[in-house]
Amino acid sequence: TQLLEQSPQFLSIQEGENLTVYCNSSSVFSSLQWYRQEPGEGPVLLVTVVTGGEVKKLKRLTFQFGDARKDSSLHITAAQPGDTGLYLCAGDNGGYQKVTFGTGTKLQVIP
Amino acid sequence: NAGVTQTPKFQVLKTGQSMTLQCAQDMNHEYMSWYRQDPGMGLRLIHYSVGAGITDQGEVPNGYNVSRSTTEDFPLRLLSAAPSQTSVYFCASSPRWVNTEAFFGQGTRLTVV
Repeated sequence: TQLLEQSPQFLSIQEGENLTVYCNSSSVFSSLQWYRQEPGEGPVLLVTVVTGGEVKKLKRLTFQFGDARKDSSLHITAAQPGDTGLYLCAGDNGGYQKVTFGTGTKLQVIP
Repeated sequence: NAGVTQTPKFQVLKTGQSMTLQCAQDMNHEYMSWYRQDPGMGLRLIHYSVGAGITDQGEVPNGYNVSRSTTEDFPLRLLSAAPSQTSVYFCASSPRWVNTEAFFGQGTRLTVV
């Protein structure tokens, strides 16, 4: 089983601060997805990155796929309380049954 | 637009009881899967299906059965519930085999006592 390590596990910050969440593996992935999950709900896709070095932006969220396609980062600028949730990365290594989910980063943004 | 619908949302079972978690999707996706989510473990794949009539095991299949008689429905059966199966269960569907996003249901929180 491939492992996807996410760090930090927990993050509590004040509204307006910036933060970065990391997703690391020793395996190469053909693509990587980032999801956000709110309490009592299922994960919802934020972005998919496919090419090594790729950078995607979603409003205040910036996602980067590592050059070697083994790691990824999520940077949030000027965090807002609505960003609170569990952030999950998921790596796809060759098919639907080979998707590995990270353990998640629980973010709390305090107003 | 319902997406992926799971029922029930909450369930308490006694050890040894059996039950079926229901999952239905209205997006005509070929690929469906069941995951369990436990603290500190992420989401782990239980079973998946690549189309009606075709299912296969994921990472943690023991104690669970699935079937896929239609494109829309993918029920998960617990044969003889054990406390180790206490978890939150998610059903998901996807439109493609690779580089694909998963659409998740709201989850079923199962407690086995």
